[in-house]
Formats: sequence, C-alpha cells, structure tokens
Amino acid sequence: AQRVTQPEKLLSVFKGAPVELKCNYSYSGSPELFWYVQYSRQRLQLLLRHISRESIKGFTADLNKGETSFHLKKPFAQEEDSAMYYCALSPSGSARQLTFGSGTQLTVLP
Amino acid sequence: EPEVTQTPSHQVTQMGQEVILRCVPISNHLYFYWYRQILGQKVEFLVSFYNNEISEKSEIFDDQFSVERPDGSNFTLKIRSTKLEDSAMYFCASASGGRSYNEQFFGPGTRLTVL
Repeated sequence: AQRVTQPEKLLSVFKGAPVELKCNYSYSGSPELFWYVQYSRQRLQLLLRHISRESIKGFTADLNKGETSFHLKKPFAQEEDSAMYYCALSPSGSARQLTFGSGTQLTVLP
Repeated sequence: EPEVTQTPSHQVTQMGQEVILRCVPISNHLYFYWYRQILGQKVEFLVSFYNNEISEKSEIFDDQFSVERPDGSNFTLKIRSTKLEDSAMYFCASASGGRSYNEQFFGPGTRLTVL
C-alpha cells in the first residue's frame, strides 16, 4: 500500500526566510512524486513533479529514494507563498491515481 | 486557459437521498477522476475512468457510488443513498494522457452536506 506523510500541519516563516515542507512516502515500486498547492479559495493545482526537475515559483524538490523523501524547498519565502501544500504520489504508469498527504498550511509572515 | 468545472458548488441533501455531482473535464482530456476530502482529513481517491470504463477504484467506492460519462462532455458521480459520512468536498479531475500524462487538473469542488 502507498502512503504519504507530511509531518507538519502548520508551518510559519518570515518573509525572506528559507522554507522546507517535509514529505515522506512509502511505496514498494517506483513512484512519481508531486507537490500540489491550494491558495485561499482556489482549486488544487500542480506545483511541480519530480520527473520534470524544474523550479516553479522558486520552489524545488528533490526525490531522495534512500530516505523516501520529497521535501519542498524555497530559499526566500514570499507572502504570496502562503497556501496549503500537498505532497502526492502516483504509481508509475499512465495517469494513475494520486495518493495525497494530509497537507501543510504554510503562512509567510511579513 | 481551459479548466475543469463542477456543479453545483454546494449541495445539501437528506440522508438516504440520491445525489448526482457533475463535472465537465477539460475537452481533450481522456482520463477522469473523482476524489473526496472529508473536513479536516486527506484528499482521498475514489475512482478513475478511461475509455468509458472504470480503470481503478478505492475501497471507499462501494456499490452506493457510480460514475458515468453520459455524453461527450459531462462526467458524473452518483451516490445512490447518501449517508451522513458522505458529507465531504468532492473534487473532479482530468488528465490528458499525453506527454504530461500524470498531471491531473482539478475542479473547484462540490461541497456535499448530508443531513
């Protein structure tokens, strides 16, 4: 069975400070990992996926298979980064189901 | 930019009643999904649909649930006899099946309240 764990329900940082949102997973095969974000009163949207290895809005995430982690990082947080962040896992293969973590509410303070 | 739409945004129903939640996926997408999120809990997968049939379903998706693509644009989730514990936000999603095949685009959700 697959599982995604986000240990922090709430995370507050000051503007300009680095931020790291933690995500650990368990899955027996080779998963695909994603970060989804939900801004206030908006829909869930994909932030980034590990396969593309890109930086979106200054965020990066590296898949560490040894530690089964996919932490999301940004060196300098901005107030507009305040949102709910969900880590998600999908089995490899065409358009498979997503398993979500419980989410981390990030608040960036001025 | 095309978006997934869902109607209604909020549905209130009595326990035991049937409800149909509607979704219009992005027009050239081939994969369709329903997820739900009970208040304060995780987003949970219910079912995926491809080529006019269910491709995967979770344990939550029991005989009380069904999905249908009645025409070329709508994708519906029916709950036959609602229970109090069906109260949740229900999200529809779609994916193209192309190069970024695993990017699922989500709708805004339907909040279902069962009284």
